[in-house]
Amino acid sequence: QVQLVESGGGVAQPGRSQRLSCAASGFSFSNYGLHWVRQAPGKGLEWMALISYDGGDKYYADSVKGRFTISRDNSKNTVFLEMNSLRVEDTAVYYCARAYSLDIAVVPDYWGQGTLVTVSS
Amino acid sequence: DVVMTQSPLSLPVTLGQPASISCRSSQSLLHSDGNTYLNWFQQRPGQSPRRLIYQVSNRDSGVPDRFSGSGSGTDFTLKISRVEAEDVGIYYCMQGTHWPPWTFGQGTKVEIK
Repeated sequence: QVQLVESGGGVAQPGRSQRLSCAASGFSFSNYGLHWVRQAPGKGLEWMALISYDGGDKYYADSVKGRFTISRDNSKNTVFLEMNSLRVEDTAVYYCARAYSLDIAVVPDYWGQGTLVTVSS
Repeated sequence: DVVMTQSPLSLPVTLGQPASISCRSSQSLLHSDGNTYLNWFQQRPGQSPRRLIYQVSNRDSGVPDRFSGSGSGTDFTLKISRVEAEDVGIYYCMQGTHWPPWTFGQGTKVEIK
């Protein structure tokens, strides 16, 4: 079955970096784009970034553009989110979610269980 | 960016009774390809989101038929015909027509009276 397993969360100090990973299984990874969506404690869902099926296209929310970098390794069925210059307001559960590459809307269908990133001094 | 506005934000319902959630977008979600990319997600307590509905009214695999979606342009509705205990959670609409960014509504919390 489809599985997306995020890892790499934890506590980071403001201004530092954190790298999240999302390992996929149960589907043809190279046929899917991958989103990162975050949810601050007690808040709603906020889209962060998308990488296309082949890594050729990347998109970012304005709030993280220039600080976060999304990448993927199709040989390892894994997508990454490199987060630099972390701020307290980046504290959230980070979810990865897949989106079929031929879907023009690239809407996420399956989501991982999320990994919590806490930015605090 | 397209702003998605849901109402109500809190919805107490009686088991077995219907429930309805509204979602409005700041611009039409009709795509130039003729499709409307409005989706609904369910997030049960302590769980990750799950897509229920795509393109306004298409249920995802395994979604009970008591869930239905409707609407067009800028006004959309998610209906639960008879609420069950497992339907408790937060429901989000999300648009995929005008991206990036993909934008979500604020969420509607469904709870049992």
